Amino acid sequence: DAGITQSPRHKVTETGTPVTLRCHQTENHRYMYWYRQDPGHGLRLIHYSYGVKDTDKGEVSDGYSVSRSKTEDFLLTLESATSSQTSVYFCAIRTDSNQPQHFGDGTRLSIL
Amino acid sequence: GESVGLHLPTLSVQEGDNSIINCAYSNSASDYFIWYKQESGKGPQFIIDIRSNMDKRQGQRVTVLLNKTVKHLSLQIAATQPGDSAVYFCAEKRGQNFVFGPGTRLSVLP
Repeated sequence: DAGITQSPRHKVTETGTPVTLRCHQTENHRYMYWYRQDPGHGLRLIHYSYGVKDTDKGEVSDGYSVSRSKTEDFLLTLESATSSQTSVYFCAIRTDSNQPQHFGDGTRLSIL
Repeated sequence: GESVGLHLPTLSVQEGDNSIINCAYSNSASDYFIWYKQESGKGPQFIIDIRSNMDKRQGQRVTVLLNKTVKHLSLQIAATQPGDSAVYFCAEKRGQNFVFGPGTRLSVLP
């Protein structure tokens, strides 16, 4: 398995609270991605990073922010969680062009 | 485990038969494609990839076919086994990102 660790694996929180999900890689890959997966939608890109401190938005970035202060860590923050952000969140890494993404095992986030 | 798609198309095959899973893509300029397998409670797992300068690529028990004329991708699994039961989806590369299909649930019957 690719060296990707997502934490926490499960989290339940209340609407309006801040939440941070962590993705840690041991592969030294340049690209890192955050996706959410919902029934009927498949995987949708939230944000991605193409290097330390270099990030960009995906198709569903509203309500999310990211930070990448070092190669191995990519953080996803929900500043004020809403029930619509209940989902399964996946991190992925990739080394370079025309190489596949490799995924972590996901974080199940429930916002009540 | 997580529900990856409540209303996914489902393909049911008998154990030992071959499976064919299809995917349509939208961007004729896409030059790299991937198939993933996702089991319940786990992240997507890379199966096989293909570049647009190829029509066919084979792996262990799997073959990917690319038809650029009709923008169609297929995954063939030979001698399907119970462990192949999962959701399968394709991905096409666009720039530095990927767009994922909704997936097909493969159910292997004993």
